[in-house]
Amino acid sequence: GAVVSQHPSWVICKSGTSVKIECRSLDFQATTMFWYRQFPKQSLMLMATSNEGSKATYEQGVEKDKFLINHASLTLSTLTVTSAHPEDSSFYICSAREAGNEQFFGPGTRLTVL
Amino acid sequence: DAKTTQPPSMDCAEGRAANLPCNHSTISGNEYVYWYRQIHSQGPQYIIHGLKNNETNEMASLIITEDRKSSTLILPHATLRDTAVYYCIVGSNQGGKLIFGQGTELSVKP
Repeated sequence: GAVVSQHPSWVICKSGTSVKIECRSLDFQATTMFWYRQFPKQSLMLMATSNEGSKATYEQGVEKDKFLINHASLTLSTLTVTSAHPEDSSFYICSAREAGNEQFFGPGTRLTVL
Repeated sequence: DAKTTQPPSMDCAEGRAANLPCNHSTISGNEYVYWYRQIHSQGPQYIIHGLKNNETNEMASLIITEDRKSSTLILPHATLRDTAVYYCIVGSNQGGKLIFGQGTELSVKP
């Protein structure tokens, strides 16, 4: 299957700082990318959908000014957690899909906010 | 809300077939059935998907009932490495989002 990478795989930051997570599709062009978060022992929760060159669509209850998403190219999307707080600590997972094909997921990024 | 219902957990003996059921009684005509699995602390892995015909690949088989209201994922010879949470999801094949339910935690035991 297609490969999606994320960087970094884990990050620890101080409360109040911002953290950027990158998601790349390595061998295909992703017309759509998705961002999920997952708390321990829970399922994945969709945060937002982004299409290349347009603004992201956020799910209900997700603050767009706190979770900034940029999908600047067909192979790269970034999620920036602004002014992170301990409650933002979670496992963040991206996925990407080429038009008409299935979604492939990245390995996830573990964020810990102290 | 997720459109699927799955048992929260199942056990399977190593080497035996694992049959994971999924109910999706409100599936619409253009929605596919997707199966993913997630091994602890990793991103979900695509397994298989189908619309109405049964599908088979190197990982698994997908059996969809004629009325499309339920399906079964079959791992023909389960190994210890198949221990994971298995998610059944319905969604559009045209760039639509996938909404995850709680999935089935499959434990393969020696």
